[in-house]
Order: sequence, then C-alpha cells, then structure tokens
Amino acid sequence: EDKVVQSPLSLVVHEGDTVTLNCSYEVTNFRSLLWYKQEKKAPTFLFMLTSSGIEKKSGRLSSILDKKELSSILNITATQTGDSAIYLCARRDNNNDMRFGAGTRLTVKP
Amino acid sequence: EPEVTQTPSHQVTQMGQEVILRCVPISNHLYFYWYRQILGQKVEFLVSFYNNEISEKSEIFDDQFSVERPDGSNFTLKIRSTKLEDSAMYFCASSVTPGTGKLFFGSGTQLSVL
Repeated sequence: EDKVVQSPLSLVVHEGDTVTLNCSYEVTNFRSLLWYKQEKKAPTFLFMLTSSGIEKKSGRLSSILDKKELSSILNITATQTGDSAIYLCARRDNNNDMRFGAGTRLTVKP
Repeated sequence: EPEVTQTPSHQVTQMGQEVILRCVPISNHLYFYWYRQILGQKVEFLVSFYNNEISEKSEIFDDQFSVERPDGSNFTLKIRSTKLEDSAMYFCASSVTPGTGKLFFGSGTQLSVL
C-alpha cells in the first residue's frame, strides 16, 4: 500500500521560530500532494501541489513539492500560538483516492 | 463561506446496533467522501462517491458499511452491526471536482460504540 510519511511526528517551538515540516510519499499514479491543518476537528485545506519546484505561499506558510525526491515541505515562518495544530499531508492519485499521513503535531509556545 | 455539515456531532451506540451518520455536502459539489480518524491515529479514507455510485473504497469499507445519497442534499454513511473498533471520528467531505484536491471537510461525527 502506498504510504505517506510525515516527520517529525511532533514539534514544540516558541513564538517567532520558523518550522519545516516534512512529507514523503510512495508513488503510484500520483496526482497531487495536499497539506491540511487540523485544529480541533475538521482538516482545513492549506495547499495543493502538483508541479515540482513551484512554491505555493499563503502568508507565513509556504510549501513546495520535489517529485524527484517524492517529498514536500511545509514551512511556517514567525510562528504564532495560533499555528498550533496537527498538519496533515495527503497524497492524491489518479483514481482520486486521497491518503493521509499520520500528521505532525505542532505546538507553539508563547 | 459554504460548509459541509454533519449530524449528529456525537453518537453513542451499543455494539451490534446500526448507525447512520448524516452529511450535507456543499450544494454545488459533485464528489463526496467519508473518512474516519480513530483517536490518536491518522485520517483514513473510507469511500468516495460520485454520480450516485461508489467511485473508490478502501479495505476498511467492507460489507458492514454502506453509503447513500437518498435525496438531492444528504449523503449518509450506514454502519451495520457496529463493533467496538468502529469508535472514531467520522468526517464527511466534498469537492467540486475530483481533480482540484480541495476537499472541504465537515466538523465530524464522534461515534462511540460501547
């Protein structure tokens, strides 16, 4: 079964720090890679990446895909306590099947 | 902003009972999904649904599970003869097309099987 592996599993930082979250995937019929933020309940969409090397940016968050390395990173600069959440990476294939990684639990301390 | 709504937010049932989890996807969305998340574990794909039929299903989605779109707005997940290990948060999601990847998730139904 294709796997989506995220690292680290958990991370504790202080406000203002920059963090990099990693996601690697095994590929079969790869279509896109997605990042979601899960706070209390439902995951909320952050980014969808389909092309290698093109950075997507939203405020302090950015993400990039490396198809050669079968990986993606999510960067958060100048972290705030509101960034505390579980960050989920998901791989979507050509059958529209979307599989999530276990997530990275980010805790940002004041 | 339009959202996916799920009811109930919490459901407690006895082992062996049937439950129906309800979802109202965003109105112009055509693709519907169910995911589950056992406490402390990853979000797992169950099933995708389009044009009134199942598009894909995972190995988790066995004969105990079924989905239905009984009318133009609701999308339901039925679990027959619930087991203890079915206890989880069940998320419904929808998307306009399958290709965007931008799934909108409901806030989930926490199912507890006693």
